[in-house]
Amino acid sequence: ETGVTQSPTHLIKTRGQQVTLRCSSQSGHNTVSWYQQALGQGPQFIFQYYREEENGRGNFPPRFSGLQFPNYSSELNVNALELDDSALYLCASSPDRWLLYGYTFGSGTRLTVV
Amino acid sequence: AQKVTQAQTEISVVEKEDVTLDCVYETRDTTYYLFWYKQPPSGELVFLIRRNSFDEQNEISGRYSWNFQKSTSSFNFTITASQVVDSAVYFCALSEARTNAGKSTFGDGTTLTVKP
Repeated sequence: ETGVTQSPTHLIKTRGQQVTLRCSSQSGHNTVSWYQQALGQGPQFIFQYYREEENGRGNFPPRFSGLQFPNYSSELNVNALELDDSALYLCASSPDRWLLYGYTFGSGTRLTVV
Repeated sequence: AQKVTQAQTEISVVEKEDVTLDCVYETRDTTYYLFWYKQPPSGELVFLIRRNSFDEQNEISGRYSWNFQKSTSSFNFTITASQVVDSAVYFCALSEARTNAGKSTFGDGTTLTVKP
């Protein structure tokens, strides 16, 4: 399997709800990171997983959590959704921790919180 | 703290013109990595290049070239003889080896429009 696949592509949720976004990376890509991209801005780092353990976190509250599985899939969970959580969520993977070949990004999940 | 600034929000050129996208970065780390990504209208960011802080050689790949200057903390990207297909948002990014090489800090991007 090549590339990074994210699902769903679009999602509408109500404030206060919980959401799970999914990502499937290439085989061998042990590093996966999640980014939040607001309209007109660059991606903001949420957290990174390496071999199923969290390996770094950005300035996001604990209601943003994640999981990485042995089959190179991963999840981003967001609890108690707020209107400001509306954004494009990007999954990015790499075969190494030093990003020798940069990240391979998915097309993202567009989350709208109403 | 690491920071990336792309001062040019939007650039518009006519096909076949050369265009340079500027990127200025801030870091306290001595070992760091710089990247450029392209985000076409389809939305998926595409990796273009990675540079480490110990390698100041400029690089050329076809119509693309990159100028890395540590003295001015800049990593600029030039497209020669631009084409309509070059229209996209271009992001510069920085990762620090000491804190977390996988944590990339992105600039806010430069939207390049190439008109026929």
